[in-house]
Amino acid sequence: GNSVTQMEGPVTLSEEAFLTINCTYTATGYPSLFWYVQYPGEGLQLLLKATKADDKGSNKGFEATYRKETTSFHLEKGSVQVSDSAVYFCALIGPQGGSEKLVFGKGTKLTVNP
Amino acid sequence: GAGVSQTPSNKVTEKGKYVELRCDPISGHTALYWYRQSLGQGPEFLIYFQGTGAADDSGLPNDRFFAVRPEGSVSTLKIQRTERGDSAVYLCASSYIGGDTQYFGPGTRLTVL
Repeated sequence: GNSVTQMEGPVTLSEEAFLTINCTYTATGYPSLFWYVQYPGEGLQLLLKATKADDKGSNKGFEATYRKETTSFHLEKGSVQVSDSAVYFCALIGPQGGSEKLVFGKGTKLTVNP
Repeated sequence: GAGVSQTPSNKVTEKGKYVELRCDPISGHTALYWYRQSLGQGPEFLIYFQGTGAADDSGLPNDRFFAVRPEGSVSTLKIQRTERGDSAVYLCASSYIGGDTQYFGPGTRLTVL
């Protein structure tokens, strides 16, 4: 079945550091890929998405590129802020015609210190 | 507009009791999903509704779990004979049919003593 493996945390960075959170997936066909974020005390929010190979999703300074050849969707940000402290989840939805359910990774907790 | 709402926000119950968790989706969203998130884990799919019918219930762990959506809007997740292992945050999400973005509610934290 479909699965997502993401870099385990926790990750602790200083403000303005570069962030990478690795995510790889296993799926039949071409899934849609997502990064969701869960800020302390809040619900899951969509951060960015990409629906086909080589697409780049971006939002709030975060980027991720859908790499079919390496089945990866790594999350990056050039300069993190304290307000980016949260748990980040990589997820996929199976290709069109399959189930609409999201399959999530285990999450990576990011702490950014001033 | 209003987002997905879930009630109660917290539920503490005793082993063996019956519980109901409610989800109000975003108005106009015909697709509704339930997920369960255990501590330190990502959300795991439970069930997916298109309108009133369950299109995929493959994630329900056993027959103690049941969900309904009788009018195609509000949904209730029902758990019978609760067990300590059912303790988790239960998340609801909604979307347009065919839309790939799911909008999540704040969750219900269920604790089974």
